[in-house]
Order: sequence, then C-alpha cells, then structure tokens
Amino acid sequence: GEDVEQSLFLSVREGDSSVINCTYTDSSSTYLYWYKQEPGAGLQLLTYIFSNMDMKQDQRLTVLLNKKDKHLSLRIADTQTGDSAIYFCAENGNAGNMLTFGGGTRLMVKP
Amino acid sequence: DSGVTQTPKHLITATGQRVTLRCSPRSGDLSVYWYQQSLDQGLQFLIQYYNGEERAKGNILERFSAQQFPDLHSELNLSSLELGDSALYFCASSVAGGFEKLFFGSGTQLSVL
Repeated sequence: GEDVEQSLFLSVREGDSSVINCTYTDSSSTYLYWYKQEPGAGLQLLTYIFSNMDMKQDQRLTVLLNKKDKHLSLRIADTQTGDSAIYFCAENGNAGNMLTFGGGTRLMVKP
Repeated sequence: DSGVTQTPKHLITATGQRVTLRCSPRSGDLSVYWYQQSLDQGLQFLIQYYNGEERAKGNILERFSAQQFPDLHSELNLSSLELGDSALYFCASSVAGGFEKLFFGSGTQLSVL
C-alpha cells in the first residue's frame, strides 16, 4: 500500500535553514503537501506541489520534488523560533483528497 | 483560524460507551473529511462526505459511523469504545472534494479510560 516516511526529529539554530525530507511510494500521486501542526492546533497547509513540477518557492519555503526517487523536501530559510512545530508530508495518490500522511518531523528551533 | 469548527475539544469517556463528535465546515465548503491521529498509527484517513453523500472510505472501523447533514455539518459516531480508540480526531473541509486544499479543525481529543 501507500507509504510516506519522514525522519522524526530535526534541531536547528535560529537563522539557519531547515530541510525536512520525505519519501513516498505511490507513483500516481498528483499533489504532494506540507502541513504544519502546532501544539493544540489542527494541521495548517503550508504549501503543495503538483507532481509535474520540480520546485516551488513561496517566501521562506522551498519545496523540491524528485519524482524519480519519490523524494520530497521542504526547506525553510532563516528559521525562526515560531517555526518550531511538527511538519507532515502528505500525498494524495490518485484519489482526490484521501491524503496519506507521513509520521511527522518535529522541528525544534534553538535561539 | 481555519474556519472549521469541531466540538467538543476534549472528551473523556469509558470503554464500551458511545460518543458523537461534531464538525462544522468552512462556509461554502461542501466536502468534509474525518482523520484520526494516534501515537501508534499516525494520521489516518477515515471517511469523506460530499454534499451529504459518502464519497470515500478509509481505515474506518465498523464500530464507527459518520454522516453529513443538509446544513453540511458532519458527525462522527464512535461506539463500543475501546482503549485503543483514544486519539485526536480531526475534521477537515474543502470546497468540492477533489484535488483542493484541505482546511483542518483543531480536533477533538478523545480519551477512553
């Protein structure tokens, strides 16, 4: 079945760049997403990329997609303490919004 | 604030009981989704409704059921509760139910004791 894998934890210094990685197995994914979850809150859609794109940039966020290797990454430039949260990668296969989520990467930003 | 409202925020109940979780989608959204987030299973898709009709089903147990009402709010019913049903249950909504952005509520934390 579909599987999405992420590393559990990432720690960076404030001002550095963060790179969160994700691998997936479903080659029919149309869209791939990055969501952010802060304590006590729901999931907030950060950005998404269409499967025929290699890169998408949105302010401090850069998404890279390597479709051949089924690898997705999220780069956060100039990481701030407010970026501390759990980041989830998700893909939708070819099934609309039946998203399959990774286990989440906890990002800790140290002052 | 995503515009998706879930009630209650917290629910504590006992094994064998039945509970109902409620979700109001964003204004104008026709599709509602339910997800379960637990420590061992992560985030799992349960079920989707579009304009009152079931659209897709994921890993939803037979003890669980859901419906979407004419005013588009949705309820998730969990019965014969077990300890392992303790989780954070999220509702999300989208405009139509295809390849669109999902907006998530803050979730209902269910604790089964």
